[in-house]
Amino acid sequence: AQKITQTQPGMFVQEKEAVTLDCTYDTSDQSYGLFWYKQPSSGEMIFLIYQGSYDEQNATEGRYSLNFQKARKSANLVISASQLGDSAMYFCAMREYRDDKIIFGKGTRLHILP
Amino acid sequence: GAVVSQHPSWVICKSGTSVKIECRSLDFQATTMFWYRQFPKQSLMLMATSNEGSKATYEQGVEKDKFLINHASLTLSTLTVTSAHPEDSSFYICSARDLGTSGLGLYNEQFFGPGTRLTVL
Repeated sequence: AQKITQTQPGMFVQEKEAVTLDCTYDTSDQSYGLFWYKQPSSGEMIFLIYQGSYDEQNATEGRYSLNFQKARKSANLVISASQLGDSAMYFCAMREYRDDKIIFGKGTRLHILP
Repeated sequence: GAVVSQHPSWVICKSGTSVKIECRSLDFQATTMFWYRQFPKQSLMLMATSNEGSKATYEQGVEKDKFLINHASLTLSTLTVTSAHPEDSSFYICSARDLGTSGLGLYNEQFFGPGTRLTVL
């Protein structure tokens, strides 16, 4: 079974609009961490934001915020005021405390339109 | 911030040859390094976990005799693709975990290299 599910293979958004990228996860652990990474065409993995399973508040980093709904096992990424440079592949990922590795979802390709 | 480098950034080789990819943590010590493979338009798939001074742990379906991993020091792990074939052509990305991280160890103490694009002719 997939541990990380990203249901949007591609999205087109007008510049300056907000965009929400969906992510649901599956774990039986109580302790885990959720990540979002951006991968531009160059291939590098750029860390965007992190949410711990025990964090009570949603994580925010500049224009990025993570809408964490623990009961629904959902960790959507919200990008406010999108920019052309936001066009990239976005991956949701999870690391369970009992494990050492980060597992990635299939990704969402975001296209920002001028 | 923590920096992870990979060398080479790209390599083209003939079928049947072996290729070595290096992953280095430049400004921190890494007890654990991870190797991922990414095919075009797909996600990162974890291949193996590399621990300094011990044997790597391979994910199911990954041939350990084909993808040799050596983690000889706290700053260097190498992935050798032996007898490479065109189907091994892929983007290989390493990540390294900072030894100095404290706490639950869940936070972003894992840093990614820029990747190596391997093309086997």
